[in-house]
Amino acid sequence: AQKITQTQPGMFVQEKEAVTLDCTYDTSDPSYGLFWYKQPSSGEMIFLIYQGSYDQQNATEGRYSLNFQKARKSANLVISASQLGDSAMYFCAMREGNTGRRALTFGSGTRLQVQP
Amino acid sequence: DGGITQSPKYLFRKEGQNVTLSCEQNLNHDAMYWYRQDPGQGLRLIYYSQIVNDFQKGDIAEGYSVSREKKESFPLTVTSAQKNPTAFYLCASTTGQNQPQHFGDGTRLSIL
Repeated sequence: AQKITQTQPGMFVQEKEAVTLDCTYDTSDPSYGLFWYKQPSSGEMIFLIYQGSYDQQNATEGRYSLNFQKARKSANLVISASQLGDSAMYFCAMREGNTGRRALTFGSGTRLQVQP
Repeated sequence: DGGITQSPKYLFRKEGQNVTLSCEQNLNHDAMYWYRQDPGQGLRLIYYSQIVNDFQKGDIAEGYSVSREKKESFPLTVTSAQKNPTAFYLCASTTGQNQPQHFGDGTRLSIL
């Protein structure tokens, strides 16, 4: 079974509007962390936001927020006031606490295109 | 500025040839990772190292080898046993359980 599922291969959004990118995850580990990364066409991976499984509040970083619904095992990324520079691939990733390896398991990504 | 440096940016491999991708970090991070990304897909873990002189296989280690002789360096060798090496390779490091991984700019490997 997929550990991280991103069901939207591509999304379009108008400049200045908000957009939600979906991510569901699968783990039986009570301790885990969820990360979102942005990958522009140049290829580098840019860290956006982190949510720990025991965090009581949804994470926010500037225009990025994470809609964390633990019971549904979802961790959707919300980008407010989209900008043209937000056009990129977005990856959701999970690190399970008890594996010891601290490596990330990535979803297949969502390509976001911001239209003027 | 601290960061992760990967070289070369582009690499071409001939049949039967081993090639080595460089990854150097000056972030003083203990853990380092190698990921492979195929077009339109997410990243998959090749190898990781939690500490100097120790490393573990990831999910797709066949045809690859690594070494970790220094904290700063984690080179990846793509051997001739890797039959489909064309991909984008990303190196990453982290310092803590809840800390994000920092990535290099990647190496694009192609077959000649």
